[in-house]
Amino acid sequence: QKEVEQNSGPLSVPEGAIASLNCTYSDRVSQSFFWYRQYSGKSPELIMSIYSNGDKEDGRFTAQLNKASQYVSLLIRDSQPSDSATYLCAVTGNQFYFGTGTSLTVIP
Amino acid sequence: ETGVTQTPRHLVMGMTNKKSLKCEQHLGHNAMYWYKQSAKKPLELMFVYNFKEQTENNSVPSRFSPECPNSSHLFLHLHTLQPEDSALYLCASSHPSTSGGLSYEQYFGPGTRLTVT
Repeated sequence: QKEVEQNSGPLSVPEGAIASLNCTYSDRVSQSFFWYRQYSGKSPELIMSIYSNGDKEDGRFTAQLNKASQYVSLLIRDSQPSDSATYLCAVTGNQFYFGTGTSLTVIP
Repeated sequence: ETGVTQTPRHLVMGMTNKKSLKCEQHLGHNAMYWYKQSAKKPLELMFVYNFKEQTENNSVPSRFSPECPNSSHLFLHLHTLQPEDSALYLCASSHPSTSGGLSYEQYFGPGTRLTVT
């Protein structure tokens, strides 16, 4: 079983819609959870971090964490074409693990 | 300079060459990391340094040799690489984390695109 699993996509949403990205992890001792955005040919850019159960909102982004279900998600409201990228989920337990990423395309 | 910088941005080397990748961070962090990113695969953590001390080496072949002279600089020395080592090599930095505990956000440099011929 992979430490961090994400749907590879591609996920396509129309402009203005809500994009929902999901991530599950296997290590129950994980305490830190991150979402990174990576544009093609660029390095990952941190967009959200969450450490406790519940929701955390930052602008159009909302991270949701459920440690009991070992599940973390990222919602992007009012999606824009500039949000088109690969989104990487990262989880820290005993090590820092990245998922393979979900490719998001926002259609104008 | 701000953030995390890496040089060179692109590198083409033969299998018998020796080269080095350089990373510098201007964020006041004390932990630095090397990652390898290959197509269709998750980011692979290679090495971790906390306060200049190597704390993780994830079974990386000895043809990759890291060096961390201080908390702001990190090098990756390369020799006798193989074509399968062609990838994007990313450096990151963060505040130091405790083993098995809370980890802080990592900030990445732009990467070095390495091609081994």
